[in-house]
Amino acid sequence: LAKTTQPISMDSYEGQEVNITCSHNNIATNDYITWYQQFPSQGPRFIIQGYKTKVTNEVASLFIPADRKSSTLSLPRVSLSDTAVYYCLVGDSGSARQLTFGSGTQLTVLP
Amino acid sequence: KAGVTQTPRYLIKTRGQQVTLSCSPISGHRSVSWYQQTPGQGLQFLFEYFSETQRNKGNFPGRFSGRQFSNSRSEMNVSTLELGDSALYLCASSLTLAGGYNEQFFGPGTRLTVL
Repeated sequence: LAKTTQPISMDSYEGQEVNITCSHNNIATNDYITWYQQFPSQGPRFIIQGYKTKVTNEVASLFIPADRKSSTLSLPRVSLSDTAVYYCLVGDSGSARQLTFGSGTQLTVLP
Repeated sequence: KAGVTQTPRYLIKTRGQQVTLSCSPISGHRSVSWYQQTPGQGLQFLFEYFSETQRNKGNFPGRFSGRQFSNSRSEMNVSTLELGDSALYLCASSLTLAGGYNEQFFGPGTRLTVL
């Protein structure tokens, strides 16, 4: 199972761009990289997913280098409401067991 | 489209009792996964059901069990409750087996407190 490592916490100010990097040295060929966001007392919510290079949607971008051993979630111009825990997951199809959520990164956006 | 619903939202039990939690997935979703979340252990995978069959199981004792019905609704049961079972229990649904590229949609969770 691909293990992920993320910073435990990060602080940022409103309006800044935030980059959260996840390390997954043992990523397998068929693995995808997925990021979820979780607010207190709520279930995680899907943010973005990618396999390689760069993926962008309306809320975030995901940068994946060629070796795929890490990935970076980029949140442009964060606001106070982006304060949450962000989880990086690595896994392929077929088993939720492979989606180990880990400890996540607590992002705190300050005014 | 309605999201994942979980009932009850809050539950208080005493040690030794048993509890049943319910999850209704998004319409059309066939996979339901259960997770336990505690401050100390984080978000841990319990098991996954797909087409009424348990497909995967995490490292939890046999006191934790579940089932899935033909309409994809799922229940999980915890018998002989222990204080350490106090947690937020989350249910997630996906179209097919959850995995690297099948997005999981989470419910709001059931907050279980064991006294």
